[in-house]
Amino acid sequence: SSELTQDPAVSVALGQTVRITCQGDSLRSYYATWYQQKPGQAPLLVIYGKNDRPSGIPDRFSGSSSGNTASLTITGAQAEDEADYYCNSRDSSGNPWVFGGGTKLTVL
Amino acid sequence: QVQLQESGPGLVKPSETLSLTCTVSGGSISSYYWSWIRQPPGKGLEWIGYIYYSGSTNYNPSLKSRVTISVDTSKNQFSLKLNSVTAADTAVYYCARVSPAAQYYYGMDVWGQGTTVTVSS
Repeated sequence: SSELTQDPAVSVALGQTVRITCQGDSLRSYYATWYQQKPGQAPLLVIYGKNDRPSGIPDRFSGSSSGNTASLTITGAQAEDEADYYCNSRDSSGNPWVFGGGTKLTVL
Repeated sequence: QVQLQESGPGLVKPSETLSLTCTVSGGSISSYYWSWIRQPPGKGLEWIGYIYYSGSTNYNPSLKSRVTISVDTSKNQFSLKLNSVTAADTAVYYCARVSPAAQYYYGMDVWGQGTTVTVSS
């Protein structure tokens, strides 16, 4: 299957740790790429590869993977982390077309 | 720093062709992969396809029969054409650059602001 499944919504108390997950068969072979999207804005690349962050992304964002599940962890969530988060990975042909449905993160 | 700007009609009639251009400023279009992604209102992201500066392309199978992406290195632009549009093609269309650091993972590190295209008569 080329689908990626995310929980539609997750909440976290300010300053606490939250894990956003992404499940799919392709994740057994490929790492997920993670994007943050705030309302009215373009997506922002936050994690790629095993656990790499583009310049400017805070180190409270980290990525991990186990079996068919990839995770984005925010350690010490801040109010500005409230956003939609999308995972992306490859399909069975190795092409990067597959996005998860997105997880809306609420910081309480 | 590199910036991207989408341009094109905001309203397209059903069965016609949607045409958008992405202008790259602050850097060269050469040596990178460039993508088009769209997002229907209130929904998730859909990758349409990408092009290398040399002109080689790869399209999402779900749209392949209707999509053409091209590049004009002399103008530092790349373009999207989507034909036979329907209301289902109404979306915010983004252009983006595949990060050279994240190229193997197709991570997109520079995005345009997005342009809303509505398909309606």
